[in-house]
Amino acid sequence: IVMTQSPLSLPVTPGEPASISCKSSQSLLHSNGDNYLDWYVQKPGQSPQLLIYLASTRASGVPDRFSGSGSGTDFTLKISRVEAEDVGVYYCMQALQIPLTFGGGTKVEIK
Amino acid sequence: EVKLVESGGGLVRPGGSLRLSCASSGFIFNAYSFNWVRQAPGKGLEWVSYIGSSSISLHYADSVKGRFTISRDNVKNSLYLQMDNLRDEDTAVYYCARDRDGDFVYPEYFDLWGQGTQVTVSS
Repeated sequence: IVMTQSPLSLPVTPGEPASISCKSSQSLLHSNGDNYLDWYVQKPGQSPQLLIYLASTRASGVPDRFSGSGSGTDFTLKISRVEAEDVGVYYCMQALQIPLTFGGGTKVEIK
Repeated sequence: EVKLVESGGGLVRPGGSLRLSCASSGFIFNAYSFNWVRQAPGKGLEWVSYIGSSSISLHYADSVKGRFTISRDNVKNSLYLQMDNLRDEDTAVYYCARDRDGDFVYPEYFDLWGQGTQVTVSS
């Protein structure tokens, strides 16, 4: 399954919202009703960390300004109000099928 | 503290072997499934392999199938990746990543990552 993210780069103003798109080449909707789509962020010099799993469930400790939505082949990660600490590369990943595959990443930077 | 610490990376010649280790602490290791994920220099993330909590379920990316072997030791609370017949394109930072609590057939999400260990394949 090919994962395509856009945009490649996203300059943002602190306090403003931001949105990242992720599209899959096949539907990620399982017969159990869950969409097997996760979001990760890799902050500069750090390991990746989980933000969202099953398309819309926030991981433990993730601020509620992060939200995930979408179903089937189209998904979105939204940051309601960007903070300086949110800079990094954001990746979506499908977990419906082996091999698991990541999108190419979206680099979020402060204007 | 809940953490994963990788080790065993280094410089190896094409065709050579390395064994990566991932030591865990702060949680019940044998309850969780695990993955290896790698990142080539300046590139994105690539899933490599998965092992269920009982070691029954094993999965590999096509790019490493037949060359890499994932394993775990639930007594030593450690995860391993045996890498044989290494190629230039295996050069990357290798991360171990914890999956869900339970013995599942397939991976789902990675909620805890190590700091990574660098593997460089070059003559």
